[in-house]
Amino acid sequence: DTGVSQDPRHKITKRGQNVTFRCDPISEHNRLYWYRQTLGQGPEFLTYFQNEAQLEKSRLLSDRFSAERPKGSFSTLEIQRTEQGDSAMYLCASSLGTRTDTQYFGPGTRLTVL
Amino acid sequence: KQEVTQIPAALSVPEGENLVLNCSFTDSAIYNLQWFRQDPGKGLTSLLLIQSSQREQTSGRLNASLDKSSGRSTLYIAASQPGDSATYLCAAPTHSNYQLIWGAGTKLIIKP
Repeated sequence: DTGVSQDPRHKITKRGQNVTFRCDPISEHNRLYWYRQTLGQGPEFLTYFQNEAQLEKSRLLSDRFSAERPKGSFSTLEIQRTEQGDSAMYLCASSLGTRTDTQYFGPGTRLTVL
Repeated sequence: KQEVTQIPAALSVPEGENLVLNCSFTDSAIYNLQWFRQDPGKGLTSLLLIQSSQREQTSGRLNASLDKSSGRSTLYIAASQPGDSATYLCAAPTHSNYQLIWGAGTKLIIKP
């Protein structure tokens, strides 16, 4: 168990560019969540996967955002045509998926859109 | 719909003091409540998870309590140290998909 990892840790991009983030969950965890956190706020839910199926997307996830989890392992979050308002910390968490379970978080990817 | 609130937003205390951080939630049918620590610009570190059937959990100098009837959880930090300076967040899972609903956090500063 090496914990949840995310790559890259930091990304600076120009407005209008596309970016992709990767999350590697704990290997036996079948649930994977994406959250977004802006400065001074708690994280906000974006989407989650049960194995390879994306089961729910927040209304925060506009059509510029897409997430995948092929084969139920790692996940990617892509943002197309980035806007300055997309600047935030993007957090990934994984869990076994029961209501009593802890969610384990990765270190996050900090996105800055210039 | 669950809502989670943390007051105060910031707290500054001298080193060595015991302190309590507060977390309030609106839905008492809570599965569990989790406390996290976040250092500036960093990710989240899980500190304690209290299940709905439990009243408190302890880890070292940290003790978290849960009172479902009053919709409150507290995080008690004993003998505070400058290294405890961080933002502390609490979160509770929804009933539908267990996504976490978060408070905005309390920024704690321990003065040497």
